Amino acid sequence: DSGVTQTPKHLITATGQRVTLRCSPRSGDLSVYWYQQSLDQGLQFLIQYYNGEERAKGNILERFSAQQFPDLHSELNLSSLELGDSALYFCASSVTGNTDTQYFGPGTRLTVL
Amino acid sequence: GESVGLHLPTLSVQEGDNSIINCAYSNSASDYFIWYKQESGKGPQFIIDIRSNMDKRQGQRVTVLLNKTVKHLSLQIAATQPGDSAVYFCAENLGLSGAGSYQLTFGKGTKLSVIP
Repeated sequence: DSGVTQTPKHLITATGQRVTLRCSPRSGDLSVYWYQQSLDQGLQFLIQYYNGEERAKGNILERFSAQQFPDLHSELNLSSLELGDSALYFCASSVTGNTDTQYFGPGTRLTVL
Repeated sequence: GESVGLHLPTLSVQEGDNSIINCAYSNSASDYFIWYKQESGKGPQFIIDIRSNMDKRQGQRVTVLLNKTVKHLSLQIAATQPGDSAVYFCAENLGLSGAGSYQLTFGKGTKLSVIP
C-alpha cells in the first residue's frame, strides 16, 4: 500500500458525460500528479499540482481539468467524455514535487460506453 | 497487467534464476530514474531509484545499473520468484530540462513471467 488513495475504483459512464476522480496523497506529500494509462499509449503524464498550485501540464486535453484543494487532495474532472477516454487514471504524490520518488495510487478504471 | 500495448516485450525466466530487464531512456539531461513494478489491476509500485551521479544502486534482491554514455538503465532481480511476475517500467525524471516540470516519462514496459 503506497498510502495514496483514489476513488472510485471503477467508473462506467456514457459518451458526453462528465466525471470526477478523486485522489488523496500520502501524508506529508505536497505534490500530486495525474497520469493516464491506456493500452496504446502507455503511462502518460497529464498534470501536476504542488501545494494547491498548478505546476505543469502534460498531455492533458482541454476537456480535462484538475485542482488541488487546501487539504492537498486533488480532483481530476473529465468532461464531454469520448470512447477514447476509457483508460486507467492514476494519481501519484511526492514530497517536494521535484526529483523525488512518486508513489502511485491504485487507479480509477474509467469505461466510457 | 493491462498497462501497455500489444507489442510489450516479454521476458520469461525460471524461478530461482536472475532476471535482467533493460531500458533505454531518451534524454541525456535526465537526472533521476525509477523502476516501477505493476501487477495486473494495480498501480505502479516503486522498486528502486538511482540518480545520475551514480552508476549502480542495490536494494533487496534488486540492483539498478545506469550507463549514461549509452543512455541505458537495467534492473536486475536476483533469485526471481513467482511474485515477481508483473510489468516493469523504467521512468526518467526530465527535471527542468524537460517540460519545465518534474514529470516522469515512462518507458513502454517489459512483462516478466516467472516459470515455477
